Amino acid sequence: GAVVSQHPSRVICKSGTSVKIECRSLDFQATTMFWYRQFPKQSLMLMATSNEGSKATYEQGVEKDKFLINHASLTLSTLTVTSAHPEDSSFYICSAERRGRGATNEKLFFGSGTQLSVL
Amino acid sequence: AQTVTQSQPEMSVQEAETVTLSCTYDTSESDYYLFWYKQPPSRQMILVIRQEAYKQQNATENRFSVNFQKAAKSFSLKISDSQLGDAAMYFCAYRVETSGSRLTFGEGTQLTVNP
Repeated sequence: GAVVSQHPSRVICKSGTSVKIECRSLDFQATTMFWYRQFPKQSLMLMATSNEGSKATYEQGVEKDKFLINHASLTLSTLTVTSAHPEDSSFYICSAERRGRGATNEKLFFGSGTQLSVL
Repeated sequence: AQTVTQSQPEMSVQEAETVTLSCTYDTSESDYYLFWYKQPPSRQMILVIRQEAYKQQNATENRFSVNFQKAAKSFSLKISDSQLGDAAMYFCAYRVETSGSRLTFGEGTQLTVNP
């Protein structure tokens, strides 16, 4: 099956530092990757959509200078939380859209998420 | 704008019994997909079942089935013979084919399975 690897799974950092989260499609090419944010006991909120080789599209209210997204290849997208503050503490999840047809009709696959804690 | 509503923040069921989770959505599109995702304590999103809007037949996956009422914009999930491993947060989600794989999620329903 299609696998999306997200790393790290958990990160603790000091306020003011930057944190990079990687999302890789291991066995397929991803035309598009999505980044979500999830607070405890709440739903997934889409932050941005990234397409390989182009600028990410951010949802309303998401600061593009705070959450830098790079989609440099068809298998890798990164989310960098710059100058992180405690209010940025959250669970971040990526998903990748498979290019072309696979064994199943489903084309969207999720990473396992990253828990960010900013002290 | 498309919205997805799950009116049951929490549900509980006895092991081996059946439970139904509700979901309604609002859209003006005709070509779309509906999904139920499970998020266990590990927080990995797991696809449970999907339904294409153009299909009248309700999707089924083993113990999981949906009741898709297109005119009413309703998409409920029925879990039969509930197992302890079914305990999780369940999210209903919607996707318009023309917008790629961009998903809109409902608020979620926390399902507890009692032994």
